[in-house]
Amino acid sequence: GAVVSQHPSRVICKSGTSVKIECRSLDFQATTMFWYRQFPKKSLMLMATSNEGSKATYEQGVEKDKFLINHASLTLSTLTVTSAHPEDSSFYICSVGLRHISGANVLTFGAGSRLTVL
Amino acid sequence: DAKTTQPNSMESNEEEPVHLPCNHSTISGTDYIHWYRQLPSQGPEYVIHGLTSNVNNRMASLAIAEDRKSSTLILHRATLRDAAVYYCILNNQGGKLIFGQGTELSVKP
Repeated sequence: GAVVSQHPSRVICKSGTSVKIECRSLDFQATTMFWYRQFPKKSLMLMATSNEGSKATYEQGVEKDKFLINHASLTLSTLTVTSAHPEDSSFYICSVGLRHISGANVLTFGAGSRLTVL
Repeated sequence: DAKTTQPNSMESNEEEPVHLPCNHSTISGTDYIHWYRQLPSQGPEYVIHGLTSNVNNRMASLAIAEDRKSSTLILHRATLRDAAVYYCILNNQGGKLIFGQGTELSVKP
């Protein structure tokens, strides 16, 4: 499968600042990447689909002006949490999909980025 | 994508087999059955997937009911490192996966 790298793994910031999280596909050119967030003891929630060279597709209820996604190249997607507040503290995880020989789309996930907003 | 139902938690003993059930009564003919697991503080990890036939790989086996309305993930010999949340997800070849609550598996030494 693909190798996905996320950076930073942990970030602490002050309320009101913006934080950028990078997701890199190290060995695969990904036209699409997926961004999830996860609160403690909860499941993953899909935030948006990042599309290379075009606008991201956001899931219902996710503020696109709050969570800016840029997919400028086939190996890099970034998520910027703008004007972060304590309620944005969460575990953010990106993933890349590969088409399996069976026809199914199999995802490889990054290790995640834990954001803490003070 | 159709919904899946899994028990919230299960316990197993180390070195014993574990059978993790998943119900998906509204599965459509084109839905693949995927299993992922998530260890604490890590991103999810692909385990196995299948469509109609049972599947085996180095991590686990997937047994799919004949009517496809349920499936079972089988870990043949649980280790302490298998303690994780296991997610059963249906996907009809679309890119995105929608996660349910999963089953938290604990393994006792």
